[in-house]
Amino acid sequence: QQQVKQSPQSLIVQKGGISIINCAYENTAFDYFPWYQQFPGKGPALLIAIRPDVSEKKEGRFTISFNKSAKQFSLHIMDSQPGDSATYFCAASDQTGANNLFFGTGTRLTVIP
Amino acid sequence: EAGVTQSPTHLIKTRGQQATLRCSPISGHTSVYWYQQALGLGLQFLLWYDEGEERNRGNFPPRFSGRQFPNYSSELNVNALELEDSALYLCASSLDRGRSGGYTFGSGTRLTVV
Repeated sequence: QQQVKQSPQSLIVQKGGISIINCAYENTAFDYFPWYQQFPGKGPALLIAIRPDVSEKKEGRFTISFNKSAKQFSLHIMDSQPGDSATYFCAASDQTGANNLFFGTGTRLTVIP
Repeated sequence: EAGVTQSPTHLIKTRGQQATLRCSPISGHTSVYWYQQALGLGLQFLLWYDEGEERNRGNFPPRFSGRQFPNYSSELNVNALELEDSALYLCASSLDRGRSGGYTFGSGTRLTVV
């Protein structure tokens, strides 16, 4: 059973456009929601994370929007650049409990110059 | 600061053999996590070790096992290899069981079972 559902599977965006990746979860015990970026041949790297006490977190061109009632969160990449082309994973964990990070299935983002 | 290091980078084994994968966490990190990344399936949680003890395991058969050594490095063993075990195996480490933030991943070991 997939604890975190992620969409779309792949995304193609023009340079300068906005990339949006969505995730949904069921376990209301989840209290930590990170996003990871993975380039080919590398392990995933933490990009940005949010906890459920805030609805939005912004770091540079990357913004997480969080909707606790809908159990959904999304990553927005503003002014997308070719260097942003990578696979993005959302994740969730219950840090007071089992503390495992459950990952979505990933979104392959391609930014066209 | 050295990151999470994994060895070997690539491993080719025959079906039925055993594979041993190794991971050295970031200095000071006591938790080590193992994930399997198979094509199209994202990252599937395998095992979590903290302070030398197995704290949790994912939905994998018992032929996936491991251990954590006193220096917090870790080893993942896969016995009786099957073709579907072919995947990228990622190790991650964290401070204070990850409560202050996310995990730091290594670059993985690519296991191919033929």
